[in-house]
Amino acid sequence: DMKVTQMPRYLIKRMGENVLLECGQDMSHETMYWYRQDPGLGLQLIYISYDVDSNSEGDIPKGYRVSRKKREHFSLILDSAKTNQTSVYFCASSLLGNQDTQYFGPGTRLLVL
Amino acid sequence: QQKVQQSPESLTVSEGAMASLNCTFSDRSSDNFRWYRQHSGKGLEVLVSIFSDGEKEEGSFTAHLNRASLHVFLHIREPQPSDSALYLCAVWGGRALIFGTGTTVSVSP
Repeated sequence: DMKVTQMPRYLIKRMGENVLLECGQDMSHETMYWYRQDPGLGLQLIYISYDVDSNSEGDIPKGYRVSRKKREHFSLILDSAKTNQTSVYFCASSLLGNQDTQYFGPGTRLLVL
Repeated sequence: QQKVQQSPESLTVSEGAMASLNCTFSDRSSDNFRWYRQHSGKGLEVLVSIFSDGEKEEGSFTAHLNRASLHVFLHIREPQPSDSALYLCAVWGGRALIFGTGTTVSVSP
């Protein structure tokens, strides 16, 4: 059963704190993604990772960075979180990224106070 | 860049009646379209993928693609209350999917 996991599921942080969101997949997929979902804006692409240490900015990378040291794990880091980074963050993975189906995790709800 | 819009924003249908959702896109060169469903507070579940003009059926979901008119439709046959969710259209944008903002479907018993 293909699965993408995300931890934590819910997180409350104060402005200026660092945030680490983690994503895992058990399908040996090469490509992984981070999106954020906001009302009225849909899902916006933050970063793509094509494999270990091969990351690329998405459409809204400012204020975020990522780390992929193992194929099955992809982390999203917010250094000094801002209130406008309050959102629901989704991780996804696909076999090759070449138009293959993207499988999504359950999401992390982040509130920055 | 590919732009994706969905209509209507929300839709209420009676249990068992057909539901039809519309998605328009801006670049007809794409050949990869997907419909996802998202129940409240949950992740995205892929419903149907379509890669060429015409229809593709997966269970009670049918996607209809017409690239000439820049439309891809989703029809939900005999929806149940459990089909109440946000439905998202996604189009391949060259390196990742580009999503619409979704249609919220409510199925009343």
